Amino acid sequence: QQQVKQSPQSLIVQKGGISIINCAYENTAFDYFPWYQQFPGKGPALLIAIRPDVSEKKEGRFTISFNKSAKQFSLHIMDSQPGDSATYFCAASGSSNTGKLIFGQGTTLQVKP
Amino acid sequence: NAGVMQNPRHLVRRRGQEARLRCSPMKGHSHVYWYRQLPEEGLKFMVYLQKENIIDESGMPKERFSAEFPKEGPSILRIQQVVRGDSAAYFCASSPSDRVNYGYTFGSGTRLTVV
Repeated sequence: QQQVKQSPQSLIVQKGGISIINCAYENTAFDYFPWYQQFPGKGPALLIAIRPDVSEKKEGRFTISFNKSAKQFSLHIMDSQPGDSATYFCAASGSSNTGKLIFGQGTTLQVKP
Repeated sequence: NAGVMQNPRHLVRRRGQEARLRCSPMKGHSHVYWYRQLPEEGLKFMVYLQKENIIDESGMPKERFSAEFPKEGPSILRIQQVVRGDSAAYFCASSPSDRVNYGYTFGSGTRLTVV
């Protein structure tokens, strides 16, 4: 119930391509779904987040698509750049998990020049 | 604003020793969260503290691990009698409230290696 499952584990994309990372959850009490970006040796940094009352949120090249009925959400990185190479984590939180984020397993993205 | 400060950045301990990890939250933040990241895995919640109070320790191992956030000074995660399986990156995050959607900021972590 508290798990967030993320796929794929790793992803290689050519520069300019679209990177897509998927996550699925079970707990319907979750009401906040952020994506974090982590570079080696650094802590996770918030990239973009969505609430279940909208189906899509876009910020620059990054878009979250949210499917409430399927309990799935995904991150799309348009025009992927080598500087986007990092590990990406989806996460979820709800009113019953005060202050606590439940993270997916992570996706290591490599964007080839 | 210096962000969330964690120290040390790297810590090497022999089996059986104690490890003390420190986290200074961002200015104005009174809520601190600790997470553990094992190699090739996502972050796992350990404990949530406010000043002088443990709010949620549901992710803390039952033995050898403890955390505190005193009235003055940084939050401390303490691991007694470390074992090889404790080797991981430990991250803390701080926020101005108990909501994750506002100001929730991670530090750069402490990499603990047990030899």
